[in-house]
Amino acid sequence: GAVVSQHPSRVICKSGTSVKIECRSLDFQATTMFWYRQFPKQSLMLMATSNEGSKATYEQGVEKDKFLINHASLTLSTLTVTSAHPEDSSFYICSAPLWGSNQPQHFGDGTRLSIL
Amino acid sequence: AQSVAQPEDQVNVAEGNPLTVKCTYSVSGNPYLFWYVQYPNRGLQFLLKYITGDNLVKGSYGFEAEFNKSQTSFHLKKPSALVSDSALYFCAVRDGGANTDKLIFGTGTRLQVFP
Repeated sequence: GAVVSQHPSRVICKSGTSVKIECRSLDFQATTMFWYRQFPKQSLMLMATSNEGSKATYEQGVEKDKFLINHASLTLSTLTVTSAHPEDSSFYICSAPLWGSNQPQHFGDGTRLSIL
Repeated sequence: AQSVAQPEDQVNVAEGNPLTVKCTYSVSGNPYLFWYVQYPNRGLQFLLKYITGDNLVKGSYGFEAEFNKSQTSFHLKKPSALVSDSALYFCAVRDGGANTDKLIFGTGTRLQVFP
């Protein structure tokens, strides 16, 4: 079945470091991917919609310069957390819908980001 | 704006008993509703969806959900709970019209099944 691979699964780094998270659709093409952030014991907050070949669409309140999104191919989207600080520590999840209306989204396994 | 509400933060049920996880929705137009499950430190797994057709939707792992238009509800159910069903469950509605895949998630309900 359709699979979305997210890498790395866990990152621990120092404050000020930039961290890149990759999201790949393994056996299907995704012109759109979504990036979510999940705080402990809370729901998923949509951060942005990643669009292949064009700029990402950010949700209100999400800093574009802080969370850089690149969707250079039909199977890969990346989220870069620039100059990360402890408040950026969170669980980040990507998803991609299968082609066709009303198809469910398939989610990566998430990335646990811990900034010291 | 589209929204879903999950009124229960946690649901506790004994193994073998039926379970229900509640979800109500608010949409303009036709609702496109989904249930997902999340295990610890994992992404979400799709369980089932309602787009149109029969109000009772059957999904993965023995789960089903009943779409009730008059009550604007889409409760998740299973006739006999398993300990392995313990996880976080999210109800979601598709945001916008037919040309968007954005999902709006509920706050989640933690299901705890006791042996």
